[in-house]
Amino acid sequence: EADIYQTPRYLVIGTGKKITLECSQTMGHDKMYWYQQDPGMELHLIHYSYGVNSTEKGDLSSESTVSRIRTEHFPLTLESARPSHTSQYLCASSEGTGYVEYFGPGTRLTVL
Amino acid sequence: RKEVEQDPGPFNVPEGATVAFNCTYSNSASQSFFWYRQDCRKEPKLLMSVYSSGNEDGRFTAQLNRASQYISLLIRDSKLSDSATYLCVVNRANTGNQFYFGTGTSLTVIP
Repeated sequence: EADIYQTPRYLVIGTGKKITLECSQTMGHDKMYWYQQDPGMELHLIHYSYGVNSTEKGDLSSESTVSRIRTEHFPLTLESARPSHTSQYLCASSEGTGYVEYFGPGTRLTVL
Repeated sequence: RKEVEQDPGPFNVPEGATVAFNCTYSNSASQSFFWYRQDCRKEPKLLMSVYSSGNEDGRFTAQLNRASQYISLLIRDSKLSDSATYLCVVNRANTGNQFYFGTGTSLTVIP
């Protein structure tokens, strides 16, 4: 069982609010990722990190930011939520093995 | 053109059947290939890596055809518990740790 956690699991929020999705892993993995997945669609990379103080943008990053101050923690922030942000957000981590090893359970976000 | 393309299905097969999925990728420089399984409303989980020589894990066999740029997954003796969406995953060339995910192929095994 993967030791990667996401909170909240479900979030319903109004347009314009600032939200932070939390992701933590206790495996000491250097590499962490945020993906967005709509129902029946592929995962899209939003942000990734190869270690502390390292963050890079993926394909859908323009409306969100991340930080990596500690190895185990990789929060994702939406400065101003919009209905188009309604989706499932998946956090993942890996340790130098060349593939995404573990996914968290996901946060289902609904923006009204 | 998408980086990774899969037939979304659904594939509805009886228990005990053999079923095969294909996935094509567009970048010939891709080096790493995987199959993930995703249950409904759950996170993806690694099913198996795909090696150049092909590899088998129990009832599951994965093959890679670099010349035609496709990978395949064969499931023998299907079980009800195999019902899920199977995601084809290909690394982005020259990145090592960034990946393209297919939209997945839906499999339902029927009693």
